[in-house]
Amino acid sequence: SQQGEEDPQALSIQEGENATMNCSYKTSINNLQWYRQNSGRGLVHLILIRSNEREKHSGRLRVTLDTSKKSSSLLITASRAADTASYFCATDGWGYGNKLVFGAGTILRVKS
Amino acid sequence: GAGVSQTPSNKVTEKGKYVELRCDPISGHTALYWYRQSLGQGPEFLIYFQGTGAADDSGLPNDRFFAVRPEGSVSTLKIQRTERGDSAVYLCASSLFGGSGNEQFFGPGTRLTVL
Repeated sequence: SQQGEEDPQALSIQEGENATMNCSYKTSINNLQWYRQNSGRGLVHLILIRSNEREKHSGRLRVTLDTSKKSSSLLITASRAADTASYFCATDGWGYGNKLVFGAGTILRVKS
Repeated sequence: GAGVSQTPSNKVTEKGKYVELRCDPISGHTALYWYRQSLGQGPEFLIYFQGTGAADDSGLPNDRFFAVRPEGSVSTLKIQRTERGDSAVYLCASSLFGGSGNEQFFGPGTRLTVL
């Protein structure tokens, strides 16, 4: 079963704009991760944020985590056409061991 | 270096047939995971191996599904009496260690189509 939902389901922006995707989950977690998936490369790990962290940066990516609201957001700044892909959040931790529980994903299209 | 590989990349079979899907994890990775992804959905967990043993098989949908990892490296997912509802992309992932917070590296997947 899916852990939660991503919002929006689909997002279309112009190159150079920022893209924000949100993820909500249902149960307590240890960590939350974001993955990117496109047809060429499969699922690729982007960033992991631990439950005791509130914000994390990696290059053009910024992730926030609000455990009180059971939600996370992924911000991609200065988007590029190559960022076009599906983005998934995945949680692991208490109650479900080592497996990752994924959301349904956000489809991002960056137009050049 | 080599990532996770899966074979075949595509498999078309008829309802009721038996199929085997293979996963070659990254060398030295002790943990191996199988997930299934239906169209428009995120991956769903099937089974997790730590070494040779299945540490968590709670995601296997029924007893037609079985997986092995006899030498703690390559794993095979086996599906008996396939049904049309089994059609999906089957993803394999490995990580250096099991446990929360270890990055999982995914293979390209096997697209299974049951006619």
